[in-house]
Amino acid sequence: GAVVSQHPSWVICKSGTSVKIECRSLDFQATTMFWYRQFPKQSLMLMATSNEGSKATYEQGVEKDKFLINHASLTLSTLTVTSAHPEDSSFYICSARPPGIEEQYFGPGTRLTVT
Amino acid sequence: GDSVTQMEGPVTLSEEAFLTINCTYTATGYPSLFWYVQYPGEGLQLLLKATKADDKGSNKGFEATYRKETTSFHLEKGSVQVSDSAVYFCALTLTGGFKTIFGAGTRLFVKA
Repeated sequence: GAVVSQHPSWVICKSGTSVKIECRSLDFQATTMFWYRQFPKQSLMLMATSNEGSKATYEQGVEKDKFLINHASLTLSTLTVTSAHPEDSSFYICSARPPGIEEQYFGPGTRLTVT
Repeated sequence: GDSVTQMEGPVTLSEEAFLTINCTYTATGYPSLFWYVQYPGEGLQLLLKATKADDKGSNKGFEATYRKETTSFHLEKGSVQVSDSAVYFCALTLTGGFKTIFGAGTRLFVKA
């Protein structure tokens, strides 16, 4: 079935540095990918919708200059957390939707810790 | 607006007990409904889905029926196992829609 990978699975970085997270659809092409943030014991918060070949659509309250999203190809979207701060520490999950399919396929998540 | 409401957890059950996790929704139009499961430290996996009224989704012993009259999609399993311990998310996507709206999630603990 549809498989989505994320890399890295976990990362620790120093405050002020930038971190890039990759999301790949391994066996299908995804014109649309989604980036979520999940706080401990809470639901998923949609951050942005990533569209191949165009700008991402950010949800209200999400800083687009801080969370840079690039959807460079039909199988790869990247999220870059710029100038990370401890409050950016979280579990980031991506998902992808194959064309014509309503359900999303999720990556395993990336745990970011900013020290 | 469109929303999904799930029963609050955590739910703690003994092995082989019957499970029900309630889910109700508010939506314009005719949404597709989903249950996703998240095991500790992992991303979400699709558990089951139903795309129209009276459809029953089922997988791994779990079932949920799309009830338009009560706007509900309750998750049930007749006999839970320790390995079912996870967080369960109810979700909807509107017809032709783009975003998926998730409920808050319900944590299930199953004791041996």
